[in-house]
Amino acid sequence: GAVVSQHPSRVICKSGTSVKIECRSLDFQATTMFWYRQFPKQSLMLMATSNEGSKATYEQGVEKDKFLINHASLTLSTLTVTSAHPEDSSFYICSARRGGALGTGELFFGEGSRLTVL
Amino acid sequence: GQSLEQPSEVTAVEGAIVQINCTYQTSGFYGLSWYQQHDGGAPTFLSYNGLDGLEETGRFSSFLSRSDSYGYLLLQELQMKDSASYFCAVRDGPSGTYKYIFGTGTRLKVLA
Repeated sequence: GAVVSQHPSRVICKSGTSVKIECRSLDFQATTMFWYRQFPKQSLMLMATSNEGSKATYEQGVEKDKFLINHASLTLSTLTVTSAHPEDSSFYICSARRGGALGTGELFFGEGSRLTVL
Repeated sequence: GQSLEQPSEVTAVEGAIVQINCTYQTSGFYGLSWYQQHDGGAPTFLSYNGLDGLEETGRFSSFLSRSDSYGYLLLQELQMKDSASYFCAVRDGPSGTYKYIFGTGTRLKVLA
């Protein structure tokens, strides 16, 4: 099956620093990737839709200047949490849909990145 | 707003059958999917319904009624490893403009 790889899996940083999370589709091209945030025992909240070669589309309430998304190639999207604060601590997960699989509705997820801001 | 409602928790014993419901209200509808997520892990795809009716994949089946904005996931012959969270998800737009909205999630506990 398709594989999406996310890195790093865990990161601890000091308040005020920036953290970059990478999401790669390893065996398919992903023109669109999705970034989700998940708090413990809660649902996946869509943060933004990342489109290759264009600006990301952010969901209402998500600060685009704080959560910078770049989708520079068909296999890589990055999420940068800028000037991180403790309230940004969360589980961030990326996902992508393999082209041509529109009918199945299947999303492939990265392993997730657990961010802890001290 | 958009919402997908699920029961928060379901408990069942090994070997039993359990049904997890999902009612949705979205701006658009292009299919209902189901995902399983174990604690600390990433969601994995289980099933998809684009049209009304029942889809069967091994021990898992999923049902959709678009007129009722309702679907369910049916898990048969429950095993301990099925203890996890289950999410329904709706794709809300056509190709090029879509996004996936996830339900509130259901934690399934399977007891020995």
